[in-house]
Amino acid sequence: GAVVSQHPSWVICKSGTSVKIECRSLDFQATTMFWYRQFPKQSLMLMATSNEGSKATYEQGVEKDKFLINHASLTLSTLTVTSAHPEDSSFYICSARPPLGTSGRRREQFFGPGTRLTVL
Amino acid sequence: DAKTTQPNSMESNEEEPVHLPCNHSTISGTDYIHWYRQLPSQGPEYVIHGLTSNVNNRMASLAIAEDRKSSTLILHRATLRDAAVYYCILRATNFGNEKLTFGTGTRLTIIP
Repeated sequence: GAVVSQHPSWVICKSGTSVKIECRSLDFQATTMFWYRQFPKQSLMLMATSNEGSKATYEQGVEKDKFLINHASLTLSTLTVTSAHPEDSSFYICSARPPLGTSGRRREQFFGPGTRLTVL
Repeated sequence: DAKTTQPNSMESNEEEPVHLPCNHSTISGTDYIHWYRQLPSQGPEYVIHGLTSNVNNRMASLAIAEDRKSSTLILHRATLRDAAVYYCILRATNFGNEKLTFGTGTRLTIIP
């Protein structure tokens, strides 16, 4: 099946620093990727939709200047948490969908394994 | 997005079938019913999806009510590895709207 990877799998940083998380689709091209955040014991909350070659679409309440998204290629999207603070500590998950028309799989989204961010 | 309602938690004995219910009374005629599951400390994984007819795959079966206002995910023989949070999600068929809106899901515990 299609594989989505994330790097790093976990990161610990000091308050005020910026952290970049990579999301890669390993065996398919993804024009659209999604970024989610999940706090402990809670469900996934969609943060933004990342579109290759264009600006990301952010969900209401998500600060676009704090969570920078770059989708520069069909297999890579990055999320940068700028000036991270302890309240940004969370599990960040990306997902990607194969192109429309991919036989049998076009409605399935593939999720990365997640990146656990801890801000001290 | 139309909402879904699932029990917060369920328990099942190992090697027995599990029926996970989902209510979606406000479903529209073009909404697909998707199920994903999330194992501890992992990203979600796709389980199954359907529109009107019942569906089977290697992981599970999906039974959809005739009026489409509810559905049931069936794990035919639960194993310890099936312990996860199961999410029932409605997704519009509009290809411009690919977002998945996760609810609280059902936390499934498998008893050895």
